[in-house]
Amino acid sequence: QSVLTQPRSVSGSPGQSVTISCTGTSSDVGGYNHVSWYQQHPGTAPKLIIYDVSRRPSGVPDRFSGSKSGNAASLTISGLRAEDEADYYCCSQADRSLVFGGGTKLTVL
Amino acid sequence: QVQLQESGPGLVKPSETLSLTCTVSGYSISSGYYWAWIRQPPGKGLEWIGSIHHSGSAYYNPSLRSRLTISVDTSKNQFALKLSSVTAADTAVYYCVRDLGGGNHDYWGQGTLVTVSS
Repeated sequence: QSVLTQPRSVSGSPGQSVTISCTGTSSDVGGYNHVSWYQQHPGTAPKLIIYDVSRRPSGVPDRFSGSKSGNAASLTISGLRAEDEADYYCCSQADRSLVFGGGTKLTVL
Repeated sequence: QVQLQESGPGLVKPSETLSLTCTVSGYSISSGYYWAWIRQPPGKGLEWIGSIHHSGSAYYNPSLRSRLTISVDTSKNQFALKLSSVTAADTAVYYCVRDLGGGNHDYWGQGTLVTVSS
């Protein structure tokens, strides 16, 4: 069982927006401004798409955005595209450790 | 371009020690940052194993700490993972990554599948 809670799946049509939640506690998500998000396509290594709650690495489209409120973080993908279909994982700093969410499968209808 | 490559046996017997090495190219480990191992059991999610600084300072997943050793060899620009007393639950794809801190893993190896089976 993962420490951070994510919905198992979400879906949306091309052009729409979807939001994936990541719920933790005051010991992880709520206690640090170090929440990151990863995108993973089948058979490939995860790719960092958001770090430090809302920052985007170079090359990541601004359709991807992150936020946090209390013990919950969110990833929003706007203007959905077929290539966004993938698994998404949140990750948070905790006390001298890191914890991941269980992952969310995004289906683009 | 920073590249990481995992190497090691793909099959380990139960109760034995899993050993993997990560070779880094395009960046000197001695220049900074942490270097981490993350694993993913088949069909499941990601699990952080542990991270090490080039100075040797390391921090480990509490659930694995008693079986885990992560080390760094700056002369070879490599870092390594040893996980003892393995069981089938340790079967996973193991990734080595560059850890910028705070869960920011910007470069990943391609991953290597390690199966624990007799």
